[in-house]
Amino acid sequence: ELKVEQNPLFLSMQEGKNYTIYCNYSTTSDRLYWYRQDPGKSLESLFVLLSNGAVKQEGRLMASLDTKARLSTLHITAAVHDLSATYFCAVGYYGGATNKLIFGTGTLLAVQP
Amino acid sequence: KAGVTQTPRYLIKTRGQQVTLSCSPISGHRSVSWYQQTPGQGLQFLFEYFSETQRNKGNFPGRFSGRQFSNSRSEMNVSTLELGDSALYLCASSPGPSVNTEAFFGQGTRLTVV
Repeated sequence: ELKVEQNPLFLSMQEGKNYTIYCNYSTTSDRLYWYRQDPGKSLESLFVLLSNGAVKQEGRLMASLDTKARLSTLHITAAVHDLSATYFCAVGYYGGATNKLIFGTGTLLAVQP
Repeated sequence: KAGVTQTPRYLIKTRGQQVTLSCSPISGHRSVSWYQQTPGQGLQFLFEYFSETQRNKGNFPGRFSGRQFSNSRSEMNVSTLELGDSALYLCASSPGPSVNTEAFFGQGTRLTVV
């Protein structure tokens, strides 16, 4: 079955700095989603990436997808405290009998002032 | 446009009891998926309903079941509750199959089994 790995699991960074979260997956898929979750809250959709080379940007966040490398990245530019949250990637898995989204472990981002 | 509504938001149940959770999707969306979120296992897929039929199922025991009504609202039932069933249960609404279209999540139901 498809495995989705995120790293790092925890990221503490200072405001104003840049960093990248990585999402690797084990089998072919051309659909990848990024979500944000605040403590005790639900998942908020950030990006939908549907093809190789797709790049999307919203504010200080930019996501990209390389289906050949089975890798997606979420890049944070000039972090601010409001970006503190847990970020999940989710990959579309087509397993024949079961098609589903498989989520990564999540990356807890803490932006320090 | 109303979002995904889950009820109740919080539940406390005793081992051995059963529980029913409800999810109302975004108007016009025909797919509802259910996920269990725990600190140890992360987000795990339970099942998905599309046009009142279960289309996909995760690796959970038969104690976990669900259904979808003609208005696309969905319910999830867990029978013979165990302590390990304590989790945040999230439902997601999408226009079509969740693997192919963007899914929007509800606020979740936090279930505590004591």
